[in-house]
Amino acid sequence: NAGVTQTPKFQVLKTGQSMTLQCAQDMNHEYMSWYRQDPGMGLRLIHYSVGAGITDQGEVPNGYNVSRSTTEDFPLRLLSAAPSQTSVYFCASSYHQGRGYTFGSGTRLTVV
Amino acid sequence: AQSVTQLDSHVSVSEGTPVLLRCNYSSSYSPSLFWYVQHPNKGLQLLLKYTSAATLVKGINGFEAEFKKSETSFHLTKPSAHMSDAAEYFCVVSDSNYQLIWGAGTKLIIKP
Repeated sequence: NAGVTQTPKFQVLKTGQSMTLQCAQDMNHEYMSWYRQDPGMGLRLIHYSVGAGITDQGEVPNGYNVSRSTTEDFPLRLLSAAPSQTSVYFCASSYHQGRGYTFGSGTRLTVV
Repeated sequence: AQSVTQLDSHVSVSEGTPVLLRCNYSSSYSPSLFWYVQHPNKGLQLLLKYTSAATLVKGINGFEAEFKKSETSFHLTKPSAHMSDAAEYFCVVSDSNYQLIWGAGTKLIIKP
């Protein structure tokens, strides 16, 4: 089935550990982005990419890195996990910025 | 700068009665507007979008929204609520850089 695939679905990290959240889409979308969702708040943009080799920061980029070596994949790296990064992370893609986005099912991350 | 305000954090209606979820936005130009739905422990699904075509937008599952520029509103409505509509709904505006600005969400509760 076409769509956005995120792995893992759940993850527990210790403070200071690093990890990579994976995101892949098979719709040939140029635009991909990462959001975090915290209770009582809307989604906040972490990083985004408008095509392979091009990335930029969103609203809350600190503590996260991204790269876009292919159209299909857009991994999010946590460099040194902190409890404040406990959240649900969503990856999204679109054929064009500002159009309807397709979201992955999310990764629930807990940092202890 | 663009912003989105969802006027109610929770809305409770009886099954079979109309649904109204309110959203006001601010934008210095003609925006694109979206409504997304998130069912419990699920990902985000696009309900409908406004992109400067018809002001009354029809979406999936019987929902529709009307873009009112004079009132800077984009309220979501449905004539008759169903138990399966219980979810959290997000109003979203696309800013001048095509980034998505999210409202804080409205939790819709359906009473039997």
